[in-house]
Amino acid sequence: GESVGLHLPTLSVQEGDNSIINCAYSNSASDYFIWYKQESGKGPQFIIDIRSNMDKRQGQRVTVLLNKTVKHLSLQIAATQPGDSAVYFCAENPTSGSARQLTFGSGTQLTVLP
Amino acid sequence: ETGVTQSPTHLIKTRGQQVTLRCSSQSGHNTVSWYQQALGQGPQFIFQYYREEENGRGNFPPRFSGLQFPNYSSELNVNALELDDSALYLCASSLGTFNNEKLFFGSGTQLSVL
Repeated sequence: GESVGLHLPTLSVQEGDNSIINCAYSNSASDYFIWYKQESGKGPQFIIDIRSNMDKRQGQRVTVLLNKTVKHLSLQIAATQPGDSAVYFCAENPTSGSARQLTFGSGTQLTVLP
Repeated sequence: ETGVTQSPTHLIKTRGQQVTLRCSSQSGHNTVSWYQQALGQGPQFIFQYYREEENGRGNFPPRFSGLQFPNYSSELNVNALELDDSALYLCASSLGTFNNEKLFFGSGTQLSVL
């Protein structure tokens, strides 16, 4: 079946630098994409979302870019802080079906170095 | 904190036993989804409940079943436990079943099957 995948399982960045986490998706029917952050011992926490009719969306210190041509999604974190250390998941929701049935990637572990 | 609470936080069972996990949704949220997260993987959709009815199901066998109560809280039941059922079980609530409602996750129940 189709699934969401990530390019890199781990990413280390210096505190204060910008982070970019990438995600490839294969389901062309997906119309909604979300980035979640998961800290140890906690459930996924919503960061930012984007619909397929957009190619960029900005939040506080975060930006999501969507390239539907190559089915690629990225999360940019500006001025990365120690509190940003976590596993980051992208998730997609296909247009078919009535349930909010998200398909998650396997995640990228972001480590912020002092 | 999301306002989604799950109990218990940890549970140890033996193969063949049955288990019930509980979830209280965020105030005002009428939809509950359950996800299974194996170690080092992204969450996988089990099923969703809306207005006390199952509203979508992932690729899980019938021994995974659920309930939703009039107050929107929910239970996940797993019969005939197998070793591979060891995982973090996440509950997520949302207001509505589709559109662009955000999912708010609880911290999960860590189930270990021995």
